[in-house]
Amino acid sequence: IVMTQSPDSLAVSLGERATINCKSSQSVLYSSNNKNYLTWYQQKPGQPPKLLIYWASTRESGVPDRFSGSGSGTDFTLTISSLQAEDVAVYYCQQYYDTPNTFGQGTKLEIK
Amino acid sequence: QVQLQESGPGLVKPSETLSLACTVSDGSISSYYWSWIRQPPGKGLEWIGFISYSGSTDYNPSLKSRVTMSVDTSKNQFSLRLSSVTAADTAVYYCARGRSSGRLPLSDFWGQGTLVTVSS
Repeated sequence: IVMTQSPDSLAVSLGERATINCKSSQSVLYSSNNKNYLTWYQQKPGQPPKLLIYWASTRESGVPDRFSGSGSGTDFTLTISSLQAEDVAVYYCQQYYDTPNTFGQGTKLEIK
Repeated sequence: QVQLQESGPGLVKPSETLSLACTVSDGSISSYYWSWIRQPPGKGLEWIGFISYSGSTDYNPSLKSRVTMSVDTSKNQFSLRLSSVTAADTAVYYCARGRSSGRLPLSDFWGQGTLVTVSS
């Protein structure tokens, strides 16, 4: 499954909304449990990726509620409702529906 | 909170075998799946594969012929071997914990990563 993110990079003003899109080449919605097998990770420089969102829209424990995920099937969105300075990072989507796990190419988020 | 610590040589010669281990700090190795993911310098993430505590594995087809993973529950450790390495295998190698999901494991916590350079 090929994961394609857009845009490749994004500059947003502090306090403004940031939106990152992810499209999968085939559906990652599992009919047996009606769950989308899609995660979002945040990677800051020199750090490992951190899990933000799983099942496309479930926020991991401890993740600020300004981060939200939406979408189903093949089209997904990560939204940061009010950008903070600490949100500068590269964001990756990943599908865990079918082997091999595959990641999007990443979206670099910067402050405008 | 769990800690995952990768260990192994930082420099490997071309055509040789890369060997890494990941130690799980909290003894939970029998409760999760365990994955390896790599990231070439300045590039994106590539999933290498996973192993369960019982030893069942799933490898990325692009690397399958060269990859072996193993688990040692007595040491709370799992390992990666990648044979016949080339410069293209130079990357930061991460180990990660995987939750059961009904299909592939969901990697919820990652080690800090270790840079492995392939060079003579």
